Amino acid sequence: GQSLEQPSEVTAVEGAIVQINCTYQTSGFYGLSWYQQHDGGAPTFLSYNALDGLEETGRFSSFLSRSDSYGYLLLQELQMKDSASYFCAVSRALYNFNKFYFGSGTKLNVKP
Amino acid sequence: ETGVTQSPTHLIKTRGQQVTLRCSSQSGHNTVSWYQQALGQGPQFIFQYYREEENGRGNFPPRFSGLQFPNYSSELNVNALELDDSALYLCASSLDVGAQYFGPGTRLTVT
Repeated sequence: GQSLEQPSEVTAVEGAIVQINCTYQTSGFYGLSWYQQHDGGAPTFLSYNALDGLEETGRFSSFLSRSDSYGYLLLQELQMKDSASYFCAVSRALYNFNKFYFGSGTKLNVKP
Repeated sequence: ETGVTQSPTHLIKTRGQQVTLRCSSQSGHNTVSWYQQALGQGPQFIFQYYREEENGRGNFPPRFSGLQFPNYSSELNVNALELDDSALYLCASSLDVGAQYFGPGTRLTVT
């Protein structure tokens, strides 16, 4: 089987830095993605890591360690609009397609 | 460039009925995946279509079925609706193994 674990809720203040961790167990691992979802909205793609290391996109960075089955999303210079749920998702290579498994999400509360 | 669209936005059905949800993929994206998202949970993979063929399936019963058309738009059909089918149904289109682009979803309520 497969499982993903991420904290259910994180609170931080505006301007701070927050790290959301994700550990996973799956066979045929292909890559780790991160998505943001505001209440009532659709998930929005943030980043994708297929190789070990850090990927940076503006205020957001994502890290992957395949040997540790671990990744994290780093949000810098937090803004109120960053309050949302963040999901890590593992893509698992099966034959000729990728099957995606999502974690249960981390609710980020940004306070002034 | 047009994003992923879904219809309808909301739907109320009675247990035992059948429902069809529709999705138009982002321009040029040949792969569409469908997800079910219960309140407070992450999206659960239902199935994926690639060039009009079902290309993989999650742990959903056969009463969940789908289609993809030559223009890569897609339908999700659910037969014999159950109360537990009440959820947000999301479709996502993609071109490669990285990013998936989600539509706004269809909120299905089964009474």
